[in-house]
Amino acid sequence: GAVVSQHPSWVICKSGTSVKIECRSLDFQATTMFWYRQFPKQSLMLMATSNEGSKATYEQGVEKDKFLINHASLTLSTLTVTSAHPEDSSFYICSPFQAGDYEQYFGPGTRLTVT
Amino acid sequence: AQTVTQSQPEMSVQEAETVTLSCTYDTSENNYYLFWYKQPPSRQMILVIRQEAYKQQNATENRFSVNFQKAAKSFSLKISDSQLGDTAMYFCAFLRPNTDKLIFGTGTRLQVFP
Repeated sequence: GAVVSQHPSWVICKSGTSVKIECRSLDFQATTMFWYRQFPKQSLMLMATSNEGSKATYEQGVEKDKFLINHASLTLSTLTVTSAHPEDSSFYICSPFQAGDYEQYFGPGTRLTVT
Repeated sequence: AQTVTQSQPEMSVQEAETVTLSCTYDTSENNYYLFWYKQPPSRQMILVIRQEAYKQQNATENRFSVNFQKAAKSFSLKISDSQLGDTAMYFCAFLRPNTDKLIFGTGTRLQVFP
């Protein structure tokens, strides 16, 4: 299977600060990147979809100015949580996707705790 | 709109026994893909098995098999010879055609006990 890395795996930040999460597809080119959010004991909720070199498309209810997504290359995408608040504390998972494939791969996730 | 329903929030099974997790979905599409993902305590999502809707034959992967009933829009997962390492959250997912977006069910927490 494909190798996907996420960094950091766990981050604690203070309220009001910004946090950047990196997602890398190590052995394939991700034409599309999905970002999910998962609260404890709940399912994955799609936040946004980004295509390499294009602006991200956000799902309804997701603030695009709070969750900045950059997909500058086929192997790297970043999610920046701006002005983080305690309610942003969650588990964030990236999922790179390669055009022509029907299988999605998932990063190991990043646990964000905002104090 | 497509939806995925997992009606069993929690299941438990004894080691070496067989357990079946249920999943139903709703779609008007004819061609699509269905998946079962496992999320162990590490929280890494792991693909367990996938099924193409145009294939009538049920997919199998070692101890894991599905019962795909297209007309009934049902996609259950059977785990045979359950192992302690099967303890995890299991998500059923539907790949929406032409969008590449996965729609997840709410998940079933499976506990395998000795």
